Amino acid sequence: GAVVSQHPSRVICKSGTSVKIECRSLDFQATTMFWYRQFPKQSLMLMATSNEGSKATYEQGVEKDKFLINHASLTLSTLTVTSAHPEDSSFYICSAREGEKTQYFGPGTRLLVL
Amino acid sequence: DAKTTQPPSMDCAEGRAANLPCNHSTISGNEYVYWYRQIHSQGPQYIIHGLKNNETNEMASLIITEDRKSSTLILPHATLRDTAVYYCIVRVVEYGNKLVFGAGTILRVKS
Repeated sequence: GAVVSQHPSRVICKSGTSVKIECRSLDFQATTMFWYRQFPKQSLMLMATSNEGSKATYEQGVEKDKFLINHASLTLSTLTVTSAHPEDSSFYICSAREGEKTQYFGPGTRLLVL
Repeated sequence: DAKTTQPPSMDCAEGRAANLPCNHSTISGNEYVYWYRQIHSQGPQYIIHGLKNNETNEMASLIITEDRKSSTLILPHATLRDTAVYYCIVRVVEYGNKLVFGAGTILRVKS
């Protein structure tokens, strides 16, 4: 299957700082990218959907000014958690799809905000 | 997209077939059935998908009932590495449409 990478795999930051997570599609053009969040013992929750070159569409209850998403190219999307707080600590997973094809997931980034 | 119902957990003996059921009684004609799994602390892994015909690949087989209201994912010879949460999702295949995850089934493969 297609490969999606994420960087970093783990990050620890201080409360109030911003953290950027990168998501790359390595062997296909990701016309659509998705960002999910997963808390312990829970399922994945979709945060936002972005199409290359367009603004992201956020799910209800997700603050667009706090979770900045950029999908500037067909192989790269970034999620920036601004002014992170301990409650933002979670497992963030990106996903990518080319057109209507199968959606593939990255390995995830574990964020810990102290 | 239609809602799916899966048992919360299942156990399977190593080397035996694991049969994971999924109900999707409100599925519409243009919705595909997708299966993903998530091994602990990793991103979900695509397994297989289908519309109405049974499908098989190197990982698993997908059996969809004739009325399409339920399906079964079959791992023919389960190993300890197949222990994971398995998600059954139905989705209309169209540009921009998204995958929404339910609770899934925790499959425990035991030696």
